[in-house]
Amino acid sequence: EPEVTQTPSHQVTQMGQEVILRCVPISNHLYFYWYRQILGQKVEFLVSFYNNEISEKSEIFDDQFSVERPDGSNFTLKIRSTKLEDSAMYFCASSEGTYTGELFFGEGSRLTVL
Amino acid sequence: GENVEQHPSTLSVQEGDSAVIKCTYSDSASNYFPWYKQELGKGPQLIIDIRSNVGEKKDQRIAVTLNKTAKHFSLHITETQPEDSAVYFCAARWTGGGNKLTFGTGTQLKVEL
Repeated sequence: EPEVTQTPSHQVTQMGQEVILRCVPISNHLYFYWYRQILGQKVEFLVSFYNNEISEKSEIFDDQFSVERPDGSNFTLKIRSTKLEDSAMYFCASSEGTYTGELFFGEGSRLTVL
Repeated sequence: GENVEQHPSTLSVQEGDSAVIKCTYSDSASNYFPWYKQELGKGPQLIIDIRSNVGEKKDQRIAVTLNKTAKHFSLHITETQPEDSAVYFCAARWTGGGNKLTFGTGTQLKVEL
């Protein structure tokens, strides 16, 4: 069964450092997303991406965040200068379409900022 | 924007009993309501979903009901088993929101032997 894969599974970084989280969406999917889950809290939308551009972003997704699809398979989330409050589980998701497509989530990348 | 409330936050049932988790949403334009199961250390997995043109959907031991007038939807798990123990999230999506899902706060379900 096709799946969304994410790397790394866990990353520890110092405050102020740049972090890149990587995702390989399901191959025939066209829409890509990042969600975040702070420990013990609900899953929150960060950004959606289609046709090589951001289609929607939340207020959490400020100038410190960026997304990119550098090649035909990877989808990355970059945090330029990490803050303590960026510590969370980051989930990548993909879907075939928008209004009818189910979201398939990866297993997440746990980011710990010290 | 959309707001989704979910309760209870924790639910403990005996194996074989039924479990019901309820969610309410605020945006009457919402038209898609998935339920996700999240096991420890893993990503959310879609278990069932319902669209606004349907009032009920069933898949084996899992069913979801939707009341558009009251703006609430519920997950029903019958004959619960220990492997049903997980955190369950409801979510809602509205027509103009692309595929942005707004999640509820989650329910920790524990099925006891």
